Amino acid sequence: DQQVKQNSPSLSVQEGRISILNCDYTNSMFDYFLWYKKYPAEGPTFLISISSIKDKNEDGRFTVFLNKSAKHLSLHIVPSQPGDSAVYFCAAAGMDSSYKLIFGSGTRLLVRP
Amino acid sequence: DTGVSQDPRHKITKRGQNVTFRCDPISEHNRLYWYRQTLGQGPEFLTYFQNEAQLEKSRLLSDRFSAERPKGSFSTLEIQRTEQGDSAMYLCASSLTGSTEAFFGQGTRLTVV
Repeated sequence: DQQVKQNSPSLSVQEGRISILNCDYTNSMFDYFLWYKKYPAEGPTFLISISSIKDKNEDGRFTVFLNKSAKHLSLHIVPSQPGDSAVYFCAAAGMDSSYKLIFGSGTRLLVRP
Repeated sequence: DTGVSQDPRHKITKRGQNVTFRCDPISEHNRLYWYRQTLGQGPEFLTYFQNEAQLEKSRLLSDRFSAERPKGSFSTLEIQRTEQGDSAMYLCASSLTGSTEAFFGQGTRLTVV
């Protein structure tokens, strides 16, 4: 069973506009949610995270929103830049002390110049 | 410290052969994780170590897989009698205890022919 879902395999936006990447989860026991960015031939790179006790976390152009009642989170990138083009993975952690990450299947973002 | 290092980056092997991968984590990180990623999917948890102790193994880790972290520093992942279904990217990550932010290596891409 997929506990973390990213239902949009791809997203294309114009440079300077907002990119919104979505993620849904099924397990209400998750404590933390993270977004990772992955370029081809590289490992995932941590981008931003949010604790389940918060509903928003912001870091520069990146903001993550958490809606616990809907079991939904989203990553907003404003303004989008061509260098943001990558695969973005949503991940959840904290069901137990291992802090292992449960990943979604990823969304490929293309930012058009 | 340049981050998490994995070796080799690529490995092509014939079905039935044994392979071993190495991961060098960030030096002060006491947790080390192995993940596997197949095409179109997010990374899937395989196993993790707290220092030299292997504390959890996923049911994805069949008896042909074994991981070690003998001195609590680098780790090895061995796959015996490789099968075509083992073809994947094997990712290593490290973190500090209690931190959800895991730092990933660039991965080892295994192709079983």
